[in-house]
Amino acid sequence: GENVEQHPSTLSVQEGDSAVIKCTYSDSASNYFPWYKQELGKRPQLIIDIRSNVGEKKDQRIAVTLNKTAKHFSLHITETQPEDSAVYFCAAKDSGNTPLVFGKGTRLSVIA
Amino acid sequence: DAGVIQSPRHEVTEMGQEVTLRCKPISGHDYLFWYRQTMMRGLELLIYFNNNVPIDDSGMPEDRFSAKMPNASFSTLKIQPSEPRDSAVYFCASSLALGLYYNEQFFGPGTRLTVL
Repeated sequence: GENVEQHPSTLSVQEGDSAVIKCTYSDSASNYFPWYKQELGKRPQLIIDIRSNVGEKKDQRIAVTLNKTAKHFSLHITETQPEDSAVYFCAAKDSGNTPLVFGKGTRLSVIA
Repeated sequence: DAGVIQSPRHEVTEMGQEVTLRCKPISGHDYLFWYRQTMMRGLELLIYFNNNVPIDDSGMPEDRFSAKMPNASFSTLKIQPSEPRDSAVYFCASSLALGLYYNEQFFGPGTRLTVL
């Protein structure tokens, strides 16, 4: 089955700097890669996703990149703000009726 | 729609007691998921249902855990007997589909369980 590894487990950046979170997956059949954000004491919520027919997707200050050959994908946050502080989860799945497999999460702290 | 609803939001119980967590998915969603979140293990998928039928319960840690979905708008996760190591936040989530599209999972607010 699919296995998703996520790094780093914790990340601290200064406000205004960029943050990058990386994930690798094991199943070459996976072709859908979402990212969920969980603020302290709240529920995880989808913030961006990418499918394998594209290599990069942007939404304002966040972007995801995908390298299918290397089986890794990344979340990039530019011009970080304190409200970006949260736990971020990557996930992967194939196009079939299989559930998402989540990484273990990255706790991002943006220091003002 | 009010989103996924879970109850209770917090539960404190003593070891050996039965605990029942409840979930109401978003209306029209065909899939319902139960997760357990801990610092050590992150988000663990315990079990998921499709149209009220359990599809995969391989994530259920022990026979002490059981889940049911008697109808499209209600599911329960039961722990009997509870143990201190069951202390965690339990999330319920639902999604419209599970294929490549319409598969966004909407999470409930979670139930924080503490077993003393």
